[in-house]
Amino acid sequence: DSGVTQTPKHLITATGQRVTLRCSPRSGDLSVYWYQQSLDQGLQFLIQYYNGEERAKGNILERFSAQQFPDLHSELNLSSLELGDSALYFCASSDWDRGYADTQYFGPGTRLTVL
Amino acid sequence: DAKTTQPPSMDCAEGRAANLPCNHSTISGNEYVYWYRQIHSQGPQYIIHGLKNNETNEMASLIITEDRKSSTLILPHATLRDTAVYYCIVINAGNNRKLIWGLGTSLAVNP
Repeated sequence: DSGVTQTPKHLITATGQRVTLRCSPRSGDLSVYWYQQSLDQGLQFLIQYYNGEERAKGNILERFSAQQFPDLHSELNLSSLELGDSALYFCASSDWDRGYADTQYFGPGTRLTVL
Repeated sequence: DAKTTQPPSMDCAEGRAANLPCNHSTISGNEYVYWYRQIHSQGPQYIIHGLKNNETNEMASLIITEDRKSSTLILPHATLRDTAVYYCIVINAGNNRKLIWGLGTSLAVNP
């Protein structure tokens, strides 16, 4: 158990809908990362937050948005869903601070299926 | 950020050492080499990391060449539970980082 929790575990929805994925980082970790993993693909980095502020952005679509709240949990919002958005979505957390290496601890993921 | 190259798949006999190579020829001085593994769609699991020196922990050993252009992850006594996809990535400890994950090496540990 990494200490990172994600809800829900599974999500099935229809095209055009909007969903919210939730992540709670490990106790004490200020940094949260979101990744997308499509079938048989590597992890694609989406976005990183540090203590409520966006710190790095990857290949995140404009239809997707994220935020980190004062209690450090994070939400990833996916809107106008398309079939191609079906994937595993992972959240990771770390105690990253600038100048230090970044050991990320991953949650169990949310499996999103868009029908 | 530096990219990594790994063989797509490897086999290893149970109880033997598994040696997983990784090429990172464009690595820069402030980039760390990290290894993670992912067991069948579970969340990736941190294994080990290093900058210049060889490292060892309870899971594995990491050997980094002197020029830092390649590294090898060693699982000393592979078990069936070590069957997974192993990812080698380089991470910049600076402020702005783009994290690049390749397709990793799919390790099959056979009985």
